[in-house]
Amino acid sequence: KQEVTQIPAALSVPEGENLVLNCSFTDSAIYNLQWFRQDPGKGLTSLLLIQSSQREQTSGRLNASLDKSSGRSTLYIAASQPGDSATYLCAVYTNAGKSTFGDGTTLTVKP
Amino acid sequence: NAGVTQTPKFRILKIGQSMTLQCAQDMNHNYMYWYRQDPGMGLKLIYYSVGAGITDKGEVPNGYNVSRSTTEDFPLRLELAAPSQTSVYFCASNPQGKYSNQPQHFGDGTRLSIL
Repeated sequence: KQEVTQIPAALSVPEGENLVLNCSFTDSAIYNLQWFRQDPGKGLTSLLLIQSSQREQTSGRLNASLDKSSGRSTLYIAASQPGDSATYLCAVYTNAGKSTFGDGTTLTVKP
Repeated sequence: NAGVTQTPKFRILKIGQSMTLQCAQDMNHNYMYWYRQDPGMGLKLIYYSVGAGITDKGEVPNGYNVSRSTTEDFPLRLELAAPSQTSVYFCASNPQGKYSNQPQHFGDGTRLSIL
């Protein structure tokens, strides 16, 4: 059974810091991995999707990497801003359409 | 473009009652999903559908039923509501699904309390 773990569960940083969120998964037979952002009381917004054959994806200040063989992904956020405060979730997908989510990392960026 | 629309946004049910959570998408996506999210936790897959007329169980299907008569709609039915079903329910969709590397689109969720 696939298990996804996100560390740390919560993180508080001052504005301007670069930071890394971690995601690990137990079964490397994945089709892709996605990072999502969730604001309080809201649904999920997809940030980055990495295909199993890719090593990283970038969007603005966000960079996600994938090491499928070791079962790890990281989300790097550069020059953090208070508006980045949210919960970040990673999810792994099989080619049968099933998904497994981590419990998320709640990020607070202090002005 | 409305995306994924879920109704209602909030609902309180009594134990033993039943209800249907509605989900509609206007993006012509083949794959649709239902998840539940308990406080402080990630999402758990309840059911998913790869197209009209086809549904399959996810990780936590007990106590729920789904149907997919059209591409646009994917309702989730709760029969005999129990306190353990108190949660936030999210519907999602993406195109093609199995061989797609397109991200999922999520609705804003339905907050359900069973008392």
